[in-house]
Amino acid sequence: DAKTTQPNSMESNEEEPVHLPCNHSTISGTDYIHWYRQLPSQGPEYVIHGLTSNVNNRMASLAIAEDRKSSTLILHRATLRDAAVYYCLIRGNNRKLIWGLGTSLAVNP
Amino acid sequence: EPEVTQTPSHQVTQMGQEVILRCVPISNHLYFYWYRQILGQKVEFLVSFYNNEISEKSEIFDDQFSVERPDGSNFTLKIRSTKLEDSAMYFCASSRLAGDLAKNIQYFGAGTRLSVL
Repeated sequence: DAKTTQPNSMESNEEEPVHLPCNHSTISGTDYIHWYRQLPSQGPEYVIHGLTSNVNNRMASLAIAEDRKSSTLILHRATLRDAAVYYCLIRGNNRKLIWGLGTSLAVNP
Repeated sequence: EPEVTQTPSHQVTQMGQEVILRCVPISNHLYFYWYRQILGQKVEFLVSFYNNEISEKSEIFDDQFSVERPDGSNFTLKIRSTKLEDSAMYFCASSRLAGDLAKNIQYFGAGTRLSVL
């Protein structure tokens, strides 16, 4: 399973954009990049996923580098509710998700 | 919006006792999972289950653990003889069967906090 590297923590101000980076240099050609988040005292929640092209949904955008060795989760306008641990995961055609420690995002009012 | 539900939200048990954690996955989902998260640590995969059998399990999922889908809706995790180190949050997840498992989204429950005394 491909390993990911994320900063331990980041901080943002409310209503500002947030760019959460992830390195995954050992990703293979058919692996998908998934992002989940975990709000305090809750279960993980799916955010977005992609393969090669940039992706947008109602929660966030995912920018994937051309060589696919890194990606960035973009929250366009952070709210206090976005304070959570954000996990970047690489998933091949097996069943399990391997989790790192993620990035703990603090959002200041 | 359909969701994965887990009961109980908190379970307290004595060391050596058996516990059963219950999950109701989303109704049209076919893949089921259990994860655990010890306080302050990573989420750890325990087991995946499909078509009434274990698809994959981690080294954590030893003979003390078992899973079952006793009827069409519930998915349970049993710990036969609990140890202090089993204290953790246990999350159930489910996903729809997709041809390419790599893009399958997992939906998680809110978890059961297991405290072993």
